[in-house]
Amino acid sequence: QKEVEQDPGPLSVPEGAIVSLNCTYSNSAFQYFMWYRQYSRKGPELLMYTYSSGNKEDGRFTAQVDKSSKYISLFIRDSQPSDSATYLCAMSSSASKIIFGSGTRLSIRP
Amino acid sequence: GAVVSQHPSWVICKSGTSVKIECRSLDFQATTMFWYRQFPKQSLMLMATSNEGSKATYEQGVEKDKFLINHASLTLSTLTVTSAHPEDSSFYICSASFGGGETQYFGPGTRLLVL
Repeated sequence: QKEVEQDPGPLSVPEGAIVSLNCTYSNSAFQYFMWYRQYSRKGPELLMYTYSSGNKEDGRFTAQVDKSSKYISLFIRDSQPSDSATYLCAMSSSASKIIFGSGTRLSIRP
Repeated sequence: GAVVSQHPSWVICKSGTSVKIECRSLDFQATTMFWYRQFPKQSLMLMATSNEGSKATYEQGVEKDKFLINHASLTLSTLTVTSAHPEDSSFYICSASFGGGETQYFGPGTRLLVL
């Protein structure tokens, strides 16, 4: 079993829809949770960073962490064609390197 | 803030030659730098972790004599692909962290094509 599982997609939704991206993990020691966005042929860009459980909101993006279920989510409201990219979840504990999910390819249809 | 640059952004070389890729943290001092490679439509594969002034720690299966990493200062790390072969063609991305290192900031990547 991989430490971090992420559905590779592709996920295609119409413009304006709410997008839900998810990851599950197996290591209960993970405390730091991140979402990165990667456009084609570019390096990943840090979108959201969360410590422990709870929600964090930044503009149209909301990150949720449920440590009891070992499940994290990223919600994108009012999705735009410019949100089309690959989204990578990532997580770590204080003692470990960051473990990345395989990424979900998202396409927003105009 | 937390900007990381890479140079070059792409490079084409002949088989057997060596290629050096630079990674710089522009507005912070990076205690740790990381090197990844990424194949098309796949996730990031960590190659090695380096701390300034020490030898890099390589992941299992990554040849340290082939992928030479130097981290001479808190703002610069280099990856040299020695005697490159076509199978080394990939997208190489560096990242940098500071403080506790719980998160990483990525460079824009370097696309390497070995002919």
